[in-house]
Amino acid sequence: GQNIDQPTEMTATEGAIVQINCTYQTSGFNGLFWYQQHAGEAPTFLSYNVLDGLEEKGRFSSFLSRSKGYSYLLLKELQMKDSASYLCAVRDSNYQLIWGAGTKLIIKP
Amino acid sequence: TAGITQAPTSQILAAGRSMTLRCTQDMRHNAMYWYRQDLGLGLRLIHYSNTAGTTGKGEVPDGYSVSRANTDDFPLTLASAVPSQTSVYFCASSPGTHNEQFFGPGTRLTVL
Repeated sequence: GQNIDQPTEMTATEGAIVQINCTYQTSGFNGLFWYQQHAGEAPTFLSYNVLDGLEEKGRFSSFLSRSKGYSYLLLKELQMKDSASYLCAVRDSNYQLIWGAGTKLIIKP
Repeated sequence: TAGITQAPTSQILAAGRSMTLRCTQDMRHNAMYWYRQDLGLGLRLIHYSNTAGTTGKGEVPDGYSVSRANTDDFPLTLASAVPSQTSVYFCASSPGTHNEQFFGPGTRLTVL
């Protein structure tokens, strides 16, 4: 079967750095996405990785290792507005997205 | 630009009744999707459409139907609602199947 695993919840301090991990087992791989979802709102696109390595976009970076079936999202200089759920999704061999349950990130002052 | 709109925002529905959730996008995207999101679970694909005139079944299609008569609209119909269809429903679109998806604001549906 297809499976995406992420921690359910993480807590971090304002101004700090946090790493959210995602491991996956899917039928085929055509890219991995990270989305941010604030409570009661729609998911919004953060990053996309299809090749191994690190993609940096401002305070957010995403890393992929296809051989390990592993990705992480790194958030630097945390702000209170970063409190949200972070969703990992893998595009499978049918070009459909398989979603993890999401990681709820709580930022404390 | 409106992007993707969904209607209604929320709805309480009696079991056995039918209902259509509306989704409209103004970005001229080819692909559109319907997901449901339940607590503790990832987004699950109900139905999708890669281009106008075509539709396909996702992971959880039972009890739902869709149509794609034109590029902009992708309605989702529940023929006879059951309590297990209580969920938040998100419509999404993308320029093509190789691109990121853009989500509508969601419809919160409660079936009693």
